[in-house]
Amino acid sequence: GAGVSQSPRYKVAKRGQDVALRCDPISGHVSLFWYQQALGQGPEFLTYFQNEAQLDKSGLPSDRFFAERPEGSVSTLKIQRTQQEDSAVYLCASSPQRAGGRYGYTFGSGTRLTVV
Amino acid sequence: KQEVTQIPAALSVPEGENLVLNCSFTDSAIYNLQWFRQDPGKGLTSLLLIQSSQREQTSGRLNASLDKSSGRSTLYIAASQPGDSATYLCAVPIGAAGNKLTFGGGTRVLVKP
Repeated sequence: GAGVSQSPRYKVAKRGQDVALRCDPISGHVSLFWYQQALGQGPEFLTYFQNEAQLDKSGLPSDRFFAERPEGSVSTLKIQRTQQEDSAVYLCASSPQRAGGRYGYTFGSGTRLTVV
Repeated sequence: KQEVTQIPAALSVPEGENLVLNCSFTDSAIYNLQWFRQDPGKGLTSLLLIQSSQREQTSGRLNASLDKSSGRSTLYIAASQPGDSATYLCAVPIGAAGNKLTFGGGTRVLVKP
């Protein structure tokens, strides 16, 4: 596609519910990233894929967070047993190069998750 | 650990005035520095990417400078317009391969007509 597409745009979850957030990167982009952005703050790194391999998951805040990219294109970020502190905007980005941060990213519009 | 700071957190100017946004970083060993724009409820739009070997980058009314030795970058927006109202974020790659970005907290800009 022309850009990075994320769905849903908005998600309201009851505390304890599991959620799945989807990211469709730009076709052919090797690198895919997930970031979490709390209200009024800059985005924070969660995890990084190069094709289907998850090379860095150091930013995932707990074992309730899980990300996958099984065929090296679409990625899903799953949050189990959601908590109120998980409320944030979840941003996905992709890059055509392996070292995405060195050459620039394209971000999606994000999914705003509200846990009530 | 690389830390990125943006001051001020918010800025309000009358239309037509030039905007000056500041970004500082603690580790000068960077590959590049990027400036992004974020509109309310939206994702990030890349504005400018300055490689570590460059001192500035220009695109239309936007000009970004980079001084690695002092750990600073400045984004200038000439002749501001109400449509420039948004949050502006700077970011630098971190990690051995420079794969992930660390962001400043952003500067929220309001241009009043």
